[in-house]
Amino acid sequence: QVQLVESGGGVVQPGRSLRLSCAASGFTFNDYGMHWVRQAPGKGLEWVAIIWYDGSNKYYADSVKGRFTISRDNSENTLYLQMNSLRAEDTAVYYCARGITGTSFDPWGQGTLVTVSS
Amino acid sequence: QSALTQPRSVSGSPGQSVTISCTGTSSDVGDYNYVSWYQQHPDKAPKLMIYDVSKRPSGVPDRFSGSKSGNTASLTISGLQAEDEADYYCCSYVGSYTFVFGTGTKVSVL
Repeated sequence: QVQLVESGGGVVQPGRSLRLSCAASGFTFNDYGMHWVRQAPGKGLEWVAIIWYDGSNKYYADSVKGRFTISRDNSENTLYLQMNSLRAEDTAVYYCARGITGTSFDPWGQGTLVTVSS
Repeated sequence: QSALTQPRSVSGSPGQSVTISCTGTSSDVGDYNYVSWYQQHPDKAPKLMIYDVSKRPSGVPDRFSGSKSGNTASLTISGLQAEDEADYYCCSYVGSYTFVFGTGTKVSVL
């Protein structure tokens, strides 16, 4: 079955970096665009970034532009999110999700928690 | 890009219908037929319920339906069941390959 499994979350100090991974299985990974979406504790969902199926195009929310980089390794069926210059407001559960129909997300991984705190 | 506006909560008795609104602007909801809806149970990942305003993915009960009028999209749950109690989020494409979510609505089954 289609499955997405995130990893790499943890506690990090403000200003530091962290890289998240999302391992995909059960579908042809290089046929689909992929997204990162985050959810601060007790808050709503926030779209973060998209990468095209072949990695040729990437787009970001204004809140992370210039600090976060989305990438993928289609040979390893893995999606990444490199997060630099982290801030307290980046504290959230980060979900990866497969893009379908170009404009919706299905399925989602179980999420990985990133806590930015000194 | 500001979050789309949803009511904080809606409620209904089993068997009743509830409708959740999702209000945006002419630059997002009003400009594209690319509104999707997600159900999220506590401490679980979101699940796609509706895409492209009114299309239902395989496996989603036909009690769930979506529509749009102008800058407002809506999700209706007919024949409310206990397992429908969850948070629901709308999402709209806003151009330039970017997206915005709604503020979220808690659905309670009385």
